[in-house]
Amino acid sequence: GQQVMQIPQYQHVQEGEDFTTYCNSSTTLSNIQWYKQRPGGHPVFLIQLVKSGEVKKQKRLTFQFGEAKKNSSLHITATQTTDVGTYFCAGRRADGLTFGKGTHLIIQP
Amino acid sequence: EAGVAQSPRYKIIEKRQSVAFWCNPISGHATLYWYQQILGQGPKLLIQFQNNGVVDDSQLPKDRFSAERLKGVDSTLKIQPAKLEDSAVYLCASSPDSFAYEQYFGPGTRLTVT
Repeated sequence: GQQVMQIPQYQHVQEGEDFTTYCNSSTTLSNIQWYKQRPGGHPVFLIQLVKSGEVKKQKRLTFQFGEAKKNSSLHITATQTTDVGTYFCAGRRADGLTFGKGTHLIIQP
Repeated sequence: EAGVAQSPRYKIIEKRQSVAFWCNPISGHATLYWYQQILGQGPKLLIQFQNNGVVDDSQLPKDRFSAERLKGVDSTLKIQPAKLEDSAVYLCASSPDSFAYEQYFGPGTRLTVT
């Protein structure tokens, strides 16, 4: 089936550094959602992007949806230890919502 | 507002045994999803219900997995017989409707098949 590719798989950063994860689809998406899953926890919804070229911000998090609606990114400025976890994108097409494999963010104090 | 409830939280069974998981979605949510999340991977949709009807079960291994949502509220997912590769966390999620809404996930059931 259609896939949503997410890179990198793992990212180690020092606390205070920035972090970015990228999500790519081979086909156009109607929207894209981002979720965060803490270690041992369940996915928690962060945001949904719908419009081509859309940019949304939540405090230190910036989400972008590409002009072609095939890619998206999540950027965290000045990471904190509370940002630890796995960030998943989930792309919606006519056949439903497909999750990427996630980017595991590891923060070294 | 109460979240999505799932039980049990953990289950250990031997291969070829049967197991059932239960999910109670957020009140009023029409759409219910069951996902399988293998360690280190993203959630994989097994089945999606809209009220008590199946919308998508294309990735459900129907020879061993079954699910129902008879009254359009809570749901059960069954595996019979279990295989070693079924070891995973089974997540239930709900949303107000199937389109353009975020999904609210339950805590999941961690299944270990030995």
